[in-house]
Amino acid sequence: GAGVSQTPSNKVTEKGKYVELRCDPISGHTALYWYRQSLGQGPEFLIYFQGTGAADDSGLPNDRFFAVRPEGSVSTLKIQRTERGDSAVYLCASSLTAGGRTDTQYFGPGTRLTVL
Amino acid sequence: LAKTTQPISMDSYEGQEVNITCSHNNIATNDYITWYQQFPSQGPRFIIQGYKTKVTNEVASLFIPADRKSSTLSLPRVSLSDTAVYYCLVGEGVGNQFYFGTGTSLTVIP
Repeated sequence: GAGVSQTPSNKVTEKGKYVELRCDPISGHTALYWYRQSLGQGPEFLIYFQGTGAADDSGLPNDRFFAVRPEGSVSTLKIQRTERGDSAVYLCASSLTAGGRTDTQYFGPGTRLTVL
Repeated sequence: LAKTTQPISMDSYEGQEVNITCSHNNIATNDYITWYQQFPSQGPRFIIQGYKTKVTNEVASLFIPADRKSSTLSLPRVSLSDTAVYYCLVGEGVGNQFYFGTGTSLTVIP
């Protein structure tokens, strides 16, 4: 079956602009995760959804970042007033069950965001 | 945070067995240990997961001592296509966060 997909694959924007990044999880997966990965670093947790609700958003760096998952499937990560420091690869992952510690997370290819 | 410590990089020749050790001194009783592999421009990919002793699948083995404060990923007879970054993770609290760390960059040499 299809894996996790993310669009766009690349996004270039100017400082101060608003961007939306989309994630389509694997069908039937109830848990969805967003991570941010900077060059040479491992993925950094941002937010975790269980169904439609954000079960843990403690990784969001500030209030310019927001994510939604209104129907419990597709999720959108929204970044307001982008800054150059937001440039990174944004990864989405989904898992089958309730997001327990043993769940295998399946990752998408990521969206490379560049803020000029 | 249940952080992990791994070597930053390793080199190996084709055909050799590679062992990557990860330290996780603060692992919680109910936490599992999971390893992911990441190629450039791709998301991480699940390799193997275990709780204690030894786990083996078609691509790797995972050795976990009784105190569970470390684990070793073993890749038998590596090939050039195994060149990647390998991350060791432990589960993180009720928020289901995972701490990836910087991983181990494995380079397989012909």
